[in-house]
Amino acid sequence: EAQVTQNPRYLITVTGKKLTVTCSQNMNHEYMSWYRQDPGLGLRQIYYSMNVEVTDKGDVPEGYKVSRKEKRNFPLILESPSPNQTSLYFCASSLSLAGVYEQYFGPGTRLTVT
Amino acid sequence: DAKTTQPPSMDCAEGRAANLPCNHSTISGNEYVYWYRQIHSQGPQYIIHGLKNNETNEMASLIITEDRKSSTLILPHATLRDTAVYYCIVRSRLLIQGAQKLVFGQGTRLTINP
Repeated sequence: EAQVTQNPRYLITVTGKKLTVTCSQNMNHEYMSWYRQDPGLGLRQIYYSMNVEVTDKGDVPEGYKVSRKEKRNFPLILESPSPNQTSLYFCASSLSLAGVYEQYFGPGTRLTVT
Repeated sequence: DAKTTQPPSMDCAEGRAANLPCNHSTISGNEYVYWYRQIHSQGPQYIIHGLKNNETNEMASLIITEDRKSSTLILPHATLRDTAVYYCIVRSRLLIQGAQKLVFGQGTRLTINP
């Protein structure tokens, strides 16, 4: 089954404790992206990757890092989480950035930073 | 910035057709109309997309006006599981600035009533 998986689905952590949210897709997609969703602010892009070793900032990259060492994986790293990073996070992928391909979204990771 | 206008909420009776309108009066020639939906706190789900012709798939139909300034998503026989926020998105098929992300506006909260 074609899918995007994220882990963990739920995470409660404390300020400053480094964490990684994993994202993996099984569709051989080139393009992957991270979004965060907050009430009243909608979905905002954090980082995206057009292919292996090619990443770029989205609209709200501060406090986040990403890497794309393999085509299927695109982890989101919070080196020193802060309470304002409490949010619902979604990973997405599509066949390519160019063209009109639909994006597939993961189930989401609900992160709480205390 | 969102380029689309949708009503904030709509209701529909179960088993009836749900017609969701979207205004995109500033759409340009290389931009497609996409529809996604998001069931509460789940990842957004792709529904359908089109350029200028009407489109149909197993989930829905998309009707685009001849001048392409508006469109309607039709769910032919709505069920309770179709209750969700529906997003109309305009996105270029070209690799231009801003095309790396989907911009979700406020969407239409569709409630299917039994």
